[in-house]
Amino acid sequence: ILNVEQSPQSLHVQEGDSTNFTCSFPSSNFYALHWYRWETAKSPEALFVMTLNGDEKKKGRISATLNTKEGYSYLYIKGSQPEDSATYLCALKETSGSRLTFGEGTQLTVNP
Amino acid sequence: NAGVTQTPKFRILKIGQSMTLQCTQDMNHNYMYWYRQDPGMGLKLIYYSVGAGITDKGEVPNGYNVSRSTTEDFPLRLELAAPSQTSVYFCASSPRGTENYGYTFGSGTRLTVV
Repeated sequence: ILNVEQSPQSLHVQEGDSTNFTCSFPSSNFYALHWYRWETAKSPEALFVMTLNGDEKKKGRISATLNTKEGYSYLYIKGSQPEDSATYLCALKETSGSRLTFGEGTQLTVNP
Repeated sequence: NAGVTQTPKFRILKIGQSMTLQCTQDMNHNYMYWYRQDPGMGLKLIYYSVGAGITDKGEVPNGYNVSRSTTEDFPLRLELAAPSQTSVYFCASSPRGTENYGYTFGSGTRLTVV
């Protein structure tokens, strides 16, 4: 069983703050790393799929980086807004198999 | 496009009853998945399928069965419901492997077994 870990488990920030959180994973057999945004009472939505060491992806105020050699990815949110409140999941795909292993998520609350 | 459609949205079952959670997608995706989400536990893979006629077990398959007779449909069957199967179930699909494509998730089925 793969160990995909996310930290912190939860985070409270003020509107306008920038924040980041971490996804750690075993670096051997790496194939792809996904980030999802999961709002309460909705279903997860894909943010990024990253495959190359050093990859950096951006979507509006949200960006992510990937280090496959040391086995971590960071998700950054610049100037957090209340609508950014959600659980952010990362998920790992190894070279063998076709399924993702999800971390438990970081629950972000942005206070107005 | 409707994406991934799950039915029902909510269900209460008595111990020992059976039911089928329906999942259908209209995106012609090859890959489909069933996950369950328990509080504080993240998403756990129950079963997945890489195409019609092919299914494989995930991390937590016990107590469940699946079939994939068409590309569009991937139903999940609970034969003898147990309280431990109280959870939120999500179906997802992707066009092929997940190297470049994220999953598209359904809206979930909240199941309570009493």
